[in-house]
Amino acid sequence: NAGVMQNPRHLVRRRGQEARLRCSPMKGHSHVYWYRQLPEEGLKFMVYLQKENIIDESGMPKERFSAEFPKEGPSILRIQQVVRGDSAAYFCASRQGAQEAFFGQGTRLTVV
Amino acid sequence: AQKITQTQPGMFVQEKEAVTLDCTYDTSDQSYGLFWYKQPSSGEMIFLIYQGSYDEQNATEGRYSLNFQKARKSANLVISASQLGDSAMYFCAMRGRSGGTASKLTFGTGTRLQVTL
Repeated sequence: NAGVMQNPRHLVRRRGQEARLRCSPMKGHSHVYWYRQLPEEGLKFMVYLQKENIIDESGMPKERFSAEFPKEGPSILRIQQVVRGDSAAYFCASRQGAQEAFFGQGTRLTVV
Repeated sequence: AQKITQTQPGMFVQEKEAVTLDCTYDTSDQSYGLFWYKQPSSGEMIFLIYQGSYDEQNATEGRYSLNFQKARKSANLVISASQLGDSAMYFCAMRGRSGGTASKLTFGTGTRLQVTL
């Protein structure tokens, strides 16, 4: 039973480009969370999705950021027109029911 | 709103000694869960231990134990018999069980633990 899979592990984008981060939850998990970790800081909640639905996006920046979790396929966090301040580690976590959430290994985004 | 406070940016401990990492929290929820995660230099988030707000016993997982003092709103992590591999960042987190705080984790700023010979 594979864990939460995130790809890519490292992503470099130039300012103004788009970044797409993918998260495949653990098998059978229908709840997905995205968190962002700035250097030397803790993780900050961004968005919580269940299949095809955004449940809580209170941590998402209002512009340029979007997330989806389609019926088939991985969850995608999309950042349009990236800026240097978007450089961070982005973590995905999944859970099912009342279980503990399991984290992926993260995607480290660097904007140059 | 929920808040986690970790007041120790860095800690040193000698190998084989025990160490306590502090965590205090604030919430208006009656029911909540408290977590500790380890983040080694490789970057992944490793779940260590969980304490429910209504659990009467302090949680233990191997060398990890959680010193839960509900009245003081503290949930300190105790690592016994420290090993060099314990050197990492440690994050305290909480999750509410109702309304808008349900599901998502709120993290502290972390404590960097360095285990020395």
